[in-house]
Amino acid sequence: DTAVSQTPKYLVTQMGNDKSIKCEQNLGHDTMYWYKQDSKKFLKIMFSYNNKELIINETVPNRFSPKSPDKAHLNLHINSLELGDSAVYFCASSPSLTGRVLFFGSGTQLSVL
Amino acid sequence: QQQVKQSPQSLIVQKGGISIINCAYENTAFDYFPWYQQFPGKGPALLIAIRPDVSEKKEGRFTISFNKSAKQFSLHIMDSQPGDSATYFCAASSVGNFNKFYFGSGTKLNVKP
Repeated sequence: DTAVSQTPKYLVTQMGNDKSIKCEQNLGHDTMYWYKQDSKKFLKIMFSYNNKELIINETVPNRFSPKSPDKAHLNLHINSLELGDSAVYFCASSPSLTGRVLFFGSGTQLSVL
Repeated sequence: QQQVKQSPQSLIVQKGGISIINCAYENTAFDYFPWYQQFPGKGPALLIAIRPDVSEKKEGRFTISFNKSAKQFSLHIMDSQPGDSATYFCAASSVGNFNKFYFGSGTKLNVKP
């Protein structure tokens, strides 16, 4: 009955590979997000979607491509992985664009070797 | 540049003591200031939040103090317990900004038994 679930929890891969992280929420929320937490624990928004529509696209390299097949799912595909992509990626959701509360998943720790 | 500055980076408190974490912001358009608590291996979870029309909000042992003129806010944890050991993030957002949150850099709190 996890509210925001993301898979996998750990992802270890080589430089240059392509990988995907999946996220699902069962809260009935309209808005979903991807946040990146770097090694210093700094949390920064990457993307947000509202009812499958891209709303926020921060200055993220084009190698990162989010996809929202429906409002309960938001996936993140990363092409040509680089060492600097190593981080913890969090999916989150909120009731709406004005919901003001974020519900986070448990994170995906990505290690690029 | 970092929109929300948080200090200290780490904090050690004895059980029963008071933990105080401070945050400062520059953007006067911010109108919502939440604190999130993150345990190892988990995503951040909303702890308590305040709007700038009040100077203090209390929920159990957790209190936010807000100083609008100084553009500062702080989290006070009274009677700190070992179970409070976690990383705490302050954040800020403004209405009409698509629920975009700016997070502080986090404070790792360790409450000693």
